[in-house]
Amino acid sequence: GEDVEQSLFLSVREGDSSVINCTYTDSSSTYLYWYKQEPGAGLQLLTYIFSNMDMKQDQRLTVLLNKKDKHLSLRIADTQTGDSAIYFCAERTAGNMLTFGGGTRLMVKP
Amino acid sequence: DGGITQSPKYLFRKEGQNVTLSCEQNLNHDAMYWYRQDPGQGLRLIYYSQIVNDFQKGDIAEGYSVSREKKESFPLTVTSAQKNPTAFYLCASREGSSGNTIYFGEGSWLTVV
Repeated sequence: GEDVEQSLFLSVREGDSSVINCTYTDSSSTYLYWYKQEPGAGLQLLTYIFSNMDMKQDQRLTVLLNKKDKHLSLRIADTQTGDSAIYFCAERTAGNMLTFGGGTRLMVKP
Repeated sequence: DGGITQSPKYLFRKEGQNVTLSCEQNLNHDAMYWYRQDPGQGLRLIYYSQIVNDFQKGDIAEGYSVSREKKESFPLTVTSAQKNPTAFYLCASREGSSGNTIYFGEGSWLTVV
């Protein structure tokens, strides 16, 4: 079955790097996504990675994919207070459906 | 501006009432989705539609109904059969089979009073 797991909470200091981790179970995943949700708002797509890649960098964001271990991570360099939000990883599987993790709440302390 | 518009942002429902949440997109996307989010939790799929006049149940469809009469519109009705409807509802859309990304609206808060 499909299952996506994330840790619930991460706290970092402003200027540090944040690393948010995610594990998934479906080996047929084609794409893996990271979304950001600010309070009371919808989900904003941050980045995604195709399953045949192991790394993708986009400005302050770095996505690492370990397909063997079914582990995905999002690194945010130079974390700012504006990065405080809930981050969701999601996998796209057969049928073009997305399965979401429970979200990781990132708190950035000044 | 192109995007997904959900309305209303906040909605209150009395016990036993049906309510309909609107979702409109002008992205010319084929597929549309409805998700439910409970506080502190992830998203669960209610219904989805890959093409006009066709839709499929997601993981938690009981107590909900949808229609897809037009490509740009995918309204969700929360019926009185849904016993715990208080939640945040998110609509999303994606291009056809080649689309890599799913875009979300800003969500609608439904509260039962």
